[in-house]
Amino acid sequence: EVQLVESGGGLVQPGRSMKLSCAASGFTFNNYDMAWVCQAPKKGLEWVATISYDGSSTYYRDSVKGRFTISRDNAKSTLYLQMDSLRSEDTATYYCARLNYPGPYMDAWGQGASVTVS
Amino acid sequence: DVVMTQTPVSLSVSLGGQVSISCRSSQSLVHNNGNTYLSWYLQKPGQSPQLLIYKVSNRFSGISDRFSGSGSGTDLTLKISRVEPDDLGVYYCGQGTQYPYTFGAGTKLELK
Repeated sequence: EVQLVESGGGLVQPGRSMKLSCAASGFTFNNYDMAWVCQAPKKGLEWVATISYDGSSTYYRDSVKGRFTISRDNAKSTLYLQMDSLRSEDTATYYCARLNYPGPYMDAWGQGASVTVS
Repeated sequence: DVVMTQTPVSLSVSLGGQVSISCRSSQSLVHNNGNTYLSWYLQKPGQSPQLLIYKVSNRFSGISDRFSGSGSGTDLTLKISRVEPDDLGVYYCGQGTQYPYTFGAGTKLELK
């Protein structure tokens, strides 16, 4: 069974940093591109960042470029999101998602990690 | 950025009924390779989103044939027939044709 389990969320002050992790199991992690998607309270889904299967390519939405870093450790089957210079508007639940093709489409999602910047 | 506009914002349906959700994009979702990368997701109350449909009309593994996707270019539709209680929640369309990937604002399906 494919499982994605996020951790590392919580309350953080504006301007500080936080690092989210997403532990993957049930599939060959290093065969898949991965993504982070966020959802502000009572709002819709917003793509944050994508990383290629081998970590060689990364893509970010403009509002997080230069502040967030997506990375992965394929030996540990773990995806990361380093969030620096956090702002109140970054408050959201952050989901890690597996990308599949032809697409991409997000065919597996974690349970989410809540981040509150205040 | 490609703006995805979903209508309606909410829908009330009787069990066993049929509904359609529209998703219009501000630009064509046809990729250079000729494919259209439009997916549909359902977020049930208190849960993470789950994939229903990918590449306009392909049902994901385990998804009932009561769900069907159609459309082309900038005008896409999700139809749900014989609505069941487990279908309730918020439906999102999402495009993967170009960065940044974008989603519609969601359509909430409720019981009448």
